[in-house]
Amino acid sequence: DGGITQSPKYLFRKEGQNVTLSCEQNLNHDAMYWYRQDPGQGLRLIYYSQIVNDFQKGDIAEGYSVSREKKESFPLTVTSAQKNPTAFYLCASTDSRGRASSYNSPLHFGNGTRLTVT
Amino acid sequence: KQEVTQIPAALSVPEGENLVLNCSFTDSAIYNLQWFRQDPGKGLTSLLLIQSSQREQTSGRLNASLDKSSGRSTLYIAASQPGDSATYLCAVTFNAGNNRKLIWGLGTSLAVNP
Repeated sequence: DGGITQSPKYLFRKEGQNVTLSCEQNLNHDAMYWYRQDPGQGLRLIYYSQIVNDFQKGDIAEGYSVSREKKESFPLTVTSAQKNPTAFYLCASTDSRGRASSYNSPLHFGNGTRLTVT
Repeated sequence: KQEVTQIPAALSVPEGENLVLNCSFTDSAIYNLQWFRQDPGKGLTSLLLIQSSQREQTSGRLNASLDKSSGRSTLYIAASQPGDSATYLCAVTFNAGNNRKLIWGLGTSLAVNP
């Protein structure tokens, strides 16, 4: 079955360490997204990528970095510069064949990674 | 400012009841509206997507309506079941000049009691 796989499900890190969250999809989707979810706040967009080798900052990109070397993979690195990294991180993708169609395609989500930094 | 509000934040109903979840948005210039379901500790599952030119979408026991002029959408769940217990999120894609921006509501946490 096609889907999005995020790993690991739980991640614990010490403050000051960089950590990379994995996101892999086999849906053949061009567009991929990283969101952060915190209690009492709506989902916030960190980075997105519409095509391989290209990505754009979202609303809260500071302290994060991404790469998009393959269509299937969109890893997110949480760097030591991120002031409040503890959160639930969600990866998503959409079918974006055609310039505007990604906006009319439903988002498909992975099951998330819960990152705790102490 | 473009905002999405979901009221109530939490709802508890007995099994079998028909119920309505509400989503309101501040700008009628929308591209589409989506309803999602999120189970605890999991990702989101897309339920329905309504384009700005549409008034409603249906999937099984779910029906979502859209009224752009009043800035409202409702998600109707018929004959609720305990398995419907989850958080339901509304997300609106707003037109923003030449771009589009997706804004999320905070969700309604639904508990259906057997």
